[in-house]
Amino acid sequence: RKEVEQDPGPFNVPEGATVAFNCTYSNSASQSFFWYRQDCRKEPKLLMSVYSSGNEDGRFTAQLNRASQYISLLIRDSKLSDSATYLCVAREGGADGLTFGKGTHLIIQP
Amino acid sequence: DADVTQTPRNRITKTGKRIMLECSQTKGHDRMYWYRQDPGLGLRLIYYSFDVKDINKGEISDGYSVSRQAQAKFSLSLESAIPNQTALYFCATSASGETQYFGPGTRLLVL
Repeated sequence: RKEVEQDPGPFNVPEGATVAFNCTYSNSASQSFFWYRQDCRKEPKLLMSVYSSGNEDGRFTAQLNRASQYISLLIRDSKLSDSATYLCVAREGGADGLTFGKGTHLIIQP
Repeated sequence: DADVTQTPRNRITKTGKRIMLECSQTKGHDRMYWYRQDPGLGLRLIYYSFDVKDINKGEISDGYSVSRQAQAKFSLSLESAIPNQTALYFCATSASGETQYFGPGTRLLVL
């Protein structure tokens, strides 16, 4: 069974700090990876795709390590509005449907 | 206006009842999906469709059926609802199989 594993947290982080979390995936055939953000009682929304070379979008940096089969998300200068659950997602090449991790709950404290 | 809409947003039903959850999209995407989300279990794929004539089972299709009435509409049915189908249900769409756009969800309680 394909799985994506994440630390559920919660991660309690002071505002302005840097926070990082990882996830691991079991299916070595996975080819595309994403981070989605989900606010309480809301739908998941794409935060960013994850590329092999690593990619950055403002305060967010995503990294992929294919050899170790893990994906990371780094958030710099965290804001109160970053409080949410972050879902790590993998997709097999040629297949459809995404495999979601159970999410990491992040709480930014003032 | 939202690109992906779901109706109803909340539903309470009794064991054994047949219910239908509906999803509509204005994004023009060919691919549509139904997921359920349970606390501690994350999102799991129920069914997906690549176009009007295509239906595929996902990870947890037992107890569910779907209908792709048009490119923009994808409905999920519970023929005989049971309490362990209590969950948050999301519809999603995609143009390429990569980025998926989710509807606001339907909260279903089966008594």
